Amino acid sequence: KAGVTQTPRYLIKTRGQQVTLSCSPISGHRSVSWYQQTPGQGLQFLFEYFSETQRNKGNFPGRFSGRQFSNSRSEMNVSTLELGDSALYLCASSLAEGFNEQFFGPGTRLTVL
Amino acid sequence: KQEVTQIPAALSVPEGENLVLNCSFTDSAIYNLQWFRQDPGKGLTSLLLIQSSQREQTSGRLNASLDKSSGRSTLYIAASQPGDSATYLCAVGSNYQLIWGAGTKLIIKP
Repeated sequence: KAGVTQTPRYLIKTRGQQVTLSCSPISGHRSVSWYQQTPGQGLQFLFEYFSETQRNKGNFPGRFSGRQFSNSRSEMNVSTLELGDSALYLCASSLAEGFNEQFFGPGTRLTVL
Repeated sequence: KQEVTQIPAALSVPEGENLVLNCSFTDSAIYNLQWFRQDPGKGLTSLLLIQSSQREQTSGRLNASLDKSSGRSTLYIAASQPGDSATYLCAVGSNYQLIWGAGTKLIIKP
């Protein structure tokens, strides 16, 4: 069974640009969660999607948004990039919403110059 | 507000030793607690998930315990190997999100 895949793996952008990251969950998993990991703040929850609906949201500004498609694939978008958005963005999938066991993808390393 | 703390921040031990990693949380109203490992530059690998009603979980050389009343969890690694070198993170399911500790960086010396 294929694991969680994330594309692209690496991305370099400049301040003010926007970026879209993609996540394909494990087949049969319907919940996708997104996390930001930085050396200073550690891992922080961004949002969770289940059945194409955002179920939970962390404490991030509105520049961070996401969506989920009918096949459970998810995208997150960051607009008006700031230097502080440089991070590893991790996607996790689980069978259902809430706190079932989460399985993580390899992450997308975003660098903002 | 739920806060998760992991002690120690780093640990270096010789191969073969048994060791314990600690995770503490401030609010006992949790759904579950999950232990992960992260290798440098990589994503997270789930090790053990303990539901709030459980006291411990075991997988191979790993054993995780949960004491909700005291807000503590421990990850016990038996007979450590160089391949166990990684950062170990605990995450608490609380307030409709996962709250993360900062991790313990573990180095196993051959």
